[in-house]
Amino acid sequence: QVQLQQWGAGLLKPSETLSLTCAVSGGSFSGYYWSWIRQSPGKGLEWIGEINYRGDTDYNPSFGGRVTISVDTSKNQVSLKLRTVIAADTAIYYCARTLMGFFYGLTDHWGQGTQVTVSS
Amino acid sequence: EIVLTQSPGTLSLSPGEGATLSCRASQSVTSNSLAWYQQRRGQAPRLLILGASRRATGIPDRFSGSGSGTDFNLTISRLEPEDFAVYYCHQYDTSPRTFGQGTKVEI
Repeated sequence: QVQLQQWGAGLLKPSETLSLTCAVSGGSFSGYYWSWIRQSPGKGLEWIGEINYRGDTDYNPSFGGRVTISVDTSKNQVSLKLRTVIAADTAIYYCARTLMGFFYGLTDHWGQGTQVTVSS
Repeated sequence: EIVLTQSPGTLSLSPGEGATLSCRASQSVTSNSLAWYQQRRGQAPRLLILGASRRATGIPDRFSGSGSGTDFNLTISRLEPEDFAVYYCHQYDTSPRTFGQGTKVEI
């Protein structure tokens, strides 16, 4: 059974960089994409982007180039950086597994989520 | 991007009753690349339905999905106490992937 363990700073000031990491265990790492999705009261569920083991990425344009998702295949970890955060970036951030192949793009398993609050 | 609009916003029902939740897409979702998730309070979303009508592993058969193109439904035939939660539709047909705003099923 795949497990997604995520961690990172939970309280940031405006203009700082959000940094989260997700460690994958209990299953294949190279056979999936790995996504970041956030959830806020204002915007609901919002797809941030995804990466595969080769480092191929796809980002949501609504983040205006502030996002970088990276992968460390030696540790089976995926990381998210969101630069120049503002209060509207306050949300629960989820790491999630996304399928390749016939059901490409389908997210089938979610991490526990990390609450990130942006406040001065 | 594809905008997903869910209705109603809230359904007030009793255990044993049936529920039908709607999800309408702003443009056609090809290959029926539409999923439904359940989110209980304080938990991450859980996949219920993929490919518009296929139940995910371990999902009870009281949950069913239907629809194609721009109109999709999630039906819960007989509500169990653990089914009172928020339900989201999600299109994974095109990037950026998008979610509906959710339907809350409450007692």
